[in-house]
Amino acid sequence: EVQLVESGGGLVKPGGSLRLSCAASGFTFSNAWMSWVRQAPGKGLEWVGRIKSKTDGGTTDYAAPVKGRFTISRDDSKNTLYLQMNSLKTEDTAVYYCTTDRVPGYSYGVYYYYGMDVWGQGTTVTVSS
Amino acid sequence: NFMLTQPHSVSESPGKTVTISCTGSSGSIASNYVQWYQQRPGSAPTTVIYEDNQRPSGVPDRFSGSIDSSSNSASLTISGLKTEDEADYYCQSYDSSNQGVFGGGTKLTVL
Repeated sequence: EVQLVESGGGLVKPGGSLRLSCAASGFTFSNAWMSWVRQAPGKGLEWVGRIKSKTDGGTTDYAAPVKGRFTISRDDSKNTLYLQMNSLKTEDTAVYYCTTDRVPGYSYGVYYYYGMDVWGQGTTVTVSS
Repeated sequence: NFMLTQPHSVSESPGKTVTISCTGSSGSIASNYVQWYQQRPGSAPTTVIYEDNQRPSGVPDRFSGSIDSSSNSASLTISGLKTEDEADYYCQSYDSSNQGVFGGGTKLTVL
């Protein structure tokens, strides 16, 4: 069974840092593309960013509101995904979900994305003074 | 900025059919695949449709997805509504930079 378990959430002051972890099991983590999605209290879902598998370059993409402040990384030896969050703002307060991405198709130099597949239960980050 | 617009809420009776729309702001919604996610209160989202109209294993065939290029929109249709279908539903696709984009979500009430 595919399982994703997030941890590391908590209360942090504006300007502070926090690192979230996502422990993966039940699938070959090293082959997976992974994403982070967040949900502010009472609000909708917001894509945060993704990391490709190392086989596909291991590169990252970020949403504009977090680019330059958040860093996604992975440790395939530990089957773990990370989200390093720096310079946190009150608007970063949210539940953060780790997800597997459906493996995208690739044809003639173009990727075709099929969205998120399995979701973790989420971890709550509160940014407040 | 590419955006996806959904109705805030829809309601329907058990046993009936409901359709939730998701309209793209620019370009062609058919340029990237559309996914749909279900989120019950207090729970994490789960995928009910991917690649416009594909159901993950375990999702009943009461759930179906479609694309209408003429209206630049995607739709999620749920037939034979059950009370357990009451949830928030989000459409999702990608912009021209392949960044994920979610619709604002639609609250489905089954009354």
